[in-house]
Parts: sequence; structure tokens; C-alpha cells
Amino acid sequence: RKEVEQDPGPFNVPEGATVAFNCTYSNSASQSFFWYRQDCRKEPKLLMSVYSSGNEDGRFTAQLNRASQYISLLIRDSKLSDSATYLCVVNPGGGNKLTFGTGTQLKVEL
Amino acid sequence: SQTIHQWPATLVQPVGSPLSLECTVEGTSNPNLYWYRQAAGRGLQLLFYSVGIGQISSEVPQNLSASRPQDRQFILSSKKLLLSDSGFYLCAWTGVDETQYFGPGTRLLVL
Repeated sequence: RKEVEQDPGPFNVPEGATVAFNCTYSNSASQSFFWYRQDCRKEPKLLMSVYSSGNEDGRFTAQLNRASQYISLLIRDSKLSDSATYLCVVNPGGGNKLTFGTGTQLKVEL
Repeated sequence: SQTIHQWPATLVQPVGSPLSLECTVEGTSNPNLYWYRQAAGRGLQLLFYSVGIGQISSEVPQNLSASRPQDRQFILSSKKLLLSDSGFYLCAWTGVDETQYFGPGTRLLVL
């Protein structure tokens, strides 16, 4: 089993739609979690950290379910500019090494 | 504020040639530094990380090496490139909140 698994997509959604991605991780001792966004041929950029209590940043909501070992990202009112690959990232050991998922591709269409 | 630079942005090299990619960080001291490779359509693979000058940890056996001659400088090298070394090379540093921040990357094509 991969350390971090994501559905590669692509998820093709119309503008204004709500879309959700899940990501599962294998190490139950994982300490911290993040979502990164990567545009085509660019470097990944932090979208948001994922806290145990869940967190929201504008149209984006991240949730953590430790019992089932998954994290989720919800995007409301999708914009064309949300089209990108979303990377699920886990810190499995509490040190400074992160494990990246292979990403879920989102395409928002008119 | 902190910034991270990588160069060159794009590189085309013949098989068997040497490689040197440079990464520098500004606005922070004693950062943890990382080299990743992202092959086409694949996830990020951690190649090396460094917690200080001269301290390098290798994550996977390969044709590459890394060095950290100065606190905010991280270099990725190879003596002889292979076709399989093609990819998108990303340097990153860690902030106090464990978040990793990436440089703009170097796209390497080995022919």
C-alpha cells in the first residue's frame, strides 16, 4: 500500500460546482497534513494545512479523519482558476520529511 | 521575507555529461533543504535533504549527489547523466511550521 494515495482524476466540473477530493494515508502515527496546489509545469504551492478540528479558508475546506486515516479537500463555487493538480501531503514521522501523493487533477470548465 | 532561487530554469544535456543545479535561499538561516525530482506524470520523489552545512542524507540510491557548501546553498550534481535523470527538479526549504516551500524548479531533459 502506498504511503499516500489519491485518485488521479481528472475531475471535470462546471464553474460554480462543489468538488471534493479524498486522500488516504497508511501511517497511523502521521503528525501533520497539508494540501498543495500545483499548476502545470510549476512548483507546488501550499494551499492549506489540515488541522484535527478541520479548517476553512474562503471557498476551501479541509478535514482530517484520523480513525479512517484520510483527509479531504472541499472546493465550493469552483472557478476556472482552480484548475490545477492538488497534492495531498503527509508528515509521517514528526520530523521534517514530507510524503507527497501523486495528485488529483481538477479541470473547471465553462 | 524568504525567497528561494533555482537555476537554470531549463536544461538540455546529452547522456554522459555532468550536471550541476544550484539552489539558494534568502531571508532565513540554517534551513532544512531538500531536493526532489518529479518525473512526467508522477509524484514528487525526495532525493536528498540537508539539516546543515556539509550534512546530506540520501533517500534513494542513484546517479546523483548533493552538497551544501554554505548555509543557504544546496547543489545537486551528477558526473554522468542518464536518460532516466530527465525530470523536473525542485528544491525546497522548511519553515518553522514544517511547511515546505519550493523553488521554481529546473526542467532537465537528457538526450
